[in-house]
Amino acid sequence: AQKITQTQPGMFVQEKEAVTLDCTYDTSDPSYGLFWYKQPSSGEMIFLIYQGSYDQQNATEGRYSLNFQKARKSANLVISASQLGDSAMYFCAMRPMNSGYSTLTFGKGTMLLVSP
Amino acid sequence: DGGITQSPKYLFRKEGQNVTLSCEQNLNHDAMYWYRQDPGQGLRLIYYSQIVNDFQKGDIAEGYSVSREKKESFPLTVTSAQKNPTAFYLCASSEGQRSYGYTFGSGTRLTVV
Repeated sequence: AQKITQTQPGMFVQEKEAVTLDCTYDTSDPSYGLFWYKQPSSGEMIFLIYQGSYDQQNATEGRYSLNFQKARKSANLVISASQLGDSAMYFCAMRPMNSGYSTLTFGKGTMLLVSP
Repeated sequence: DGGITQSPKYLFRKEGQNVTLSCEQNLNHDAMYWYRQDPGQGLRLIYYSQIVNDFQKGDIAEGYSVSREKKESFPLTVTSAQKNPTAFYLCASSEGQRSYGYTFGSGTRLTVV
């Protein structure tokens, strides 16, 4: 079974500053994928970034980067130069990739508030 | 534009009534999923379907039922057996077994009074 832990219920950051959202995971599968989703107040889940367990480099997508530390089983999301529109819930998720069929397991989320 | 449509956005029902939430996708995705979201609980998997006419229970399937008669459609019925049905329900789809991306709908907020 997989488990995702997000220990920060809420985070505050000022506009234009960088912020790190924490995510740790637990799995016995050797091959897995890690994901971050953003959920604004409208409710839709927006895919941000993906990291494969065998990827050599940390994933980056524009202002988003994933700080992947495999030995520590952590996959923290770093948002650089925060914008007011970044205020939302952020979910970390993972999915085994080795065999059979698997589904995404989500953490409980972190609410990010960006202030002017 | 391709995507997932969930309807309605808000739904109110009396206690003891069954209610069906609609989920339609035009992405030609094989797999579809239903998640439930409660405050502070994240997303929990209710049911998922890999192909037409086949579906599997997720972590919290009790009190729910689904059907997958068409590739495009995966409706969720919240039955009177569900003890606490008030929640936000999200439908998602993905291309197949190893695809890593899920596409989500905009959700249905169900309130049972």
